[in-house]
Amino acid sequence: SQQGEEDPQALSIQEGENATMNCSYKTSINNLQWYRQNSGRGLVHLILIRSNEREKHSGRLRVTLDTSKKSSSLLITASRAADTASYFCATPNSGYALNFGKGTSLLVTP
Amino acid sequence: DGGITQSPKYLFRKEGQNVTLSCEQNLNHDAMYWYRQDPGQGLRLIYYSQIVNDFQKGDIAEGYSVSREKKESFPLTVTSAQKNPTAFYLCASSTRTSGGANTGELFFGEGSRLTVL
Repeated sequence: SQQGEEDPQALSIQEGENATMNCSYKTSINNLQWYRQNSGRGLVHLILIRSNEREKHSGRLRVTLDTSKKSSSLLITASRAADTASYFCATPNSGYALNFGKGTSLLVTP
Repeated sequence: DGGITQSPKYLFRKEGQNVTLSCEQNLNHDAMYWYRQDPGQGLRLIYYSQIVNDFQKGDIAEGYSVSREKKESFPLTVTSAQKNPTAFYLCASSTRTSGGANTGELFFGEGSRLTVL
């Protein structure tokens, strides 16, 4: 079952601009994770935010979590062409795995 | 280098044939996972294993089988019973957690693309 839903489905920006993508989920979670996938490749973990955290930074990435609204956002500042990829949010399922959303496809043009 | 190796990268299968996708990790992780990804879609969980000789069905296990005889290896067999097997298959691993709510970071392989002719 897919727990998270990313929004927008696709995003096109120019280099230097900020990119914001959102994730909504349905049930209570202990943590929420963001992953990146370059075309035809495996996923790479970006950041994990726990339910008792509201904001987390990693380099040019900023993630927020609002458990009352069951939503999270990923902000990439000063985007580069190399940031072009699909971005997925993931939440723990009732077992021992992660559920992934359908992703946001980000295109950064020079 | 530590990581997860999936093979083959590309695989073609005729209808009615079983095929096995390999997944090997040298990260000393207890947990391993198989996901399926269709174009423009998210990842759907096929099977996962928290420990050797134990595995659980995910959301779309029908038509697939797995084994976990060694900690390092978690092969996936796509059987002829799988109605629409053409997809991108991703294997992942993680350190074992005490409960689903605490599932941590997953490390992914580079994927295997299966096409049914």
